[in-house]
Amino acid sequence: AQKITQTQPGMFVQEKEAVTLDCTYDTSDPSYGLFWYKQPSSGEMIFLIYQGSYDQQNATEGRYSLNFQKARKSANLVISASQLGDSAMYFCAMREKGTGRRALTFGSGTRLQVQP
Amino acid sequence: EAQVTQNPRYLITVTGKKLTVTCSQNMNHEYMSWYRQDPGLGLRQIYYSMNVEVTDKGDVPEGYKVSRKEKRNFPLILESPSPNQTSLYFCASSLQGANTGELFFGEGSRLTVL
Repeated sequence: AQKITQTQPGMFVQEKEAVTLDCTYDTSDPSYGLFWYKQPSSGEMIFLIYQGSYDQQNATEGRYSLNFQKARKSANLVISASQLGDSAMYFCAMREKGTGRRALTFGSGTRLQVQP
Repeated sequence: EAQVTQNPRYLITVTGKKLTVTCSQNMNHEYMSWYRQDPGLGLRQIYYSMNVEVTDKGDVPEGYKVSRKEKRNFPLILESPSPNQTSLYFCASSLQGANTGELFFGEGSRLTVL
């Protein structure tokens, strides 16, 4: 079974609008962390935001927020006021603390295109 | 500047010709790891290292070797590359005890095996 599922291969959004990128996860480990990374066309992986499974509040970092719904096992990324520079591939990832190997399990990604 | 440096960034090689992709980090991180990225599959972990002389297999280790003789370096070795190892490779590192455990990635190495 997929541990991280990103069901939107591609998304379009108008500049200055908000967009939500979906991510659902599957784990039986009670202690885990959820990450979002951005990969622009240049290829590097840029860390955006982190949510711990025990965190009471949704994480926010500037224009990025993580809509964490633990019971539904979802960790959607919300980008407010989209900019042209937000066009990129976005990956949701999870680390299960119980595995001990600190690996991030990645979803297949969502390609976001911001239109002027 | 804190960074993870990979070399080469681009490489075209032929089947069976041994190659090494180097990775170096200047952040004194204990943990280092290699991932490969393939379309539709996201990133998958190849090998990881919790500290010097401690390495272990990730999800897709076949055809790869690693070593961790020094804290800052974690080379990825392809003893006999095959076309199915054509991929984009990322080295990453993090602090062992970091709360978020954020991974810092290198810029990637695009490998083509003919």
